[in-house]
Amino acid sequence: QKEVEQNSGPLSVPEGAIASLNCTYSDRGSQSFFWYRQYSGKSPELIMFIYSNGDKEDGRFTAQLNKASQYVSLLIRDSQPSDSATYLCAVGRGTDKLIFGTGTRLQVFP
Amino acid sequence: ETGVTQSPTHLIKTRGQQVTLRCSSQSGHNTVSWYQQALGQGPQFIFQYYREEENGRGNFPPRFSGLQFPNYSSELNVNALELDDSALYLCASSTEDTQYFGPGTRLTVL
Repeated sequence: QKEVEQNSGPLSVPEGAIASLNCTYSDRGSQSFFWYRQYSGKSPELIMFIYSNGDKEDGRFTAQLNKASQYVSLLIRDSQPSDSATYLCAVGRGTDKLIFGTGTRLQVFP
Repeated sequence: ETGVTQSPTHLIKTRGQQVTLRCSSQSGHNTVSWYQQALGQGPQFIFQYYREEENGRGNFPPRFSGLQFPNYSSELNVNALELDDSALYLCASSTEDTQYFGPGTRLTVL
């Protein structure tokens, strides 16, 4: 079992729709959860981090964490073609030494 | 802008050679981490330095080594390069809340 699992996709959504990206993790001691966006050939760019159970909203992005189910998700509202990228879920016991999933490729079509 | 810079941007080496990659992080960020990202994979943690001391290491052989300097710069050294070392190498600087990546160095081993 992989430590952090994501569906590789691609996840295709129409412009304006909600994109839902999911991630599960195996280490119950994990305390910090991150979502990064990575465009092809570029380095990962931080979108959001979440530490507590529940929802955290930032603009069009909402991160959801359920530690009991070892599940974290990212919702992107009003998806735009510029959101097309690979989304990486990362998990850790602090803000570093993170364990990453392989990423979900999101395609937003006009 | 994350305030993390890396050099060089691209590098081509041959098998068996040695390489040094460099990173400079923001003033006051005492922790620097290095990750390797192979094509189609998520970043994998190599090691971390805190106040010039190694502070954690991932599943990488000893031919991967590093240094951190008092001026918040850091180096990743890889000896006896192998073809599988071809990857994007990412330096990350940590704050209390999260971790930011530099632009990366693309290493190709022929």
